Amino acid sequence: KQEVTQIPAALSVPEGENLVLNCSFTDSAIYNLQWFRQDPGKGLTSLLLIQSSQREQTSGRLNASLDKSSGRSTLYIAASQPGDSATYLCAVRGSQGNLIFGKGTKLSVKP
Amino acid sequence: DTAVSQTPKYLVTQMGNDKSIKCEQNLGHDTMYWYKQDSKKFLKIMFSYNNKELIINETVPNRFSPKSPDKAHLNLHINSLELGDSAVYFCASSLALAGSFEQYFGPGTRLTVT
Repeated sequence: KQEVTQIPAALSVPEGENLVLNCSFTDSAIYNLQWFRQDPGKGLTSLLLIQSSQREQTSGRLNASLDKSSGRSTLYIAASQPGDSATYLCAVRGSQGNLIFGKGTKLSVKP
Repeated sequence: DTAVSQTPKYLVTQMGNDKSIKCEQNLGHDTMYWYKQDSKKFLKIMFSYNNKELIINETVPNRFSPKSPDKAHLNLHINSLELGDSAVYFCASSLALAGSFEQYFGPGTRLTVT
């Protein structure tokens, strides 16, 4: 059974720092991996989608990598800003089409 | 022109009541999902439908009954509500079941059972 783990559970950094969020999954037979952002009391905003055949995707200050064979993905955020404060969720798409989520990393960027 | 919409956004009700949450997508997608986010913020699949057919029913109590009148709608009806049903329910859709398509999420419905 697929399990997704995100480390750390919480992270606090000063503004301007580059940071890495980690995601690992137990079954490498995934179709894709999505990174989401969730603000308190809000819905999910899709940040990046990496297909199983891809190694990385970039959008602005965000870069996500995927190493399917080792069951790992990282989300790199460059030059963090207070507006980046949110919970970041990693999810893998399984064979039945649904997403299997990690428990998230709560990021706080201090001004 | 919201892609995936849910109503209501907030729902406060008493134990034992029956309630429904509606979901609509205007993306022309074939596959729709219901996810539950519990008090610890953990998101988990409940149901998925493909072309109006149930694909996944993930050990959800049979008090929960999804209904898909057409491909664009997937409603969730809950009977005899319990305190533990309090959560945020998210609807999502993707282009198809097979393949590797992105999922798009609705804004969520926060259900509070008192």
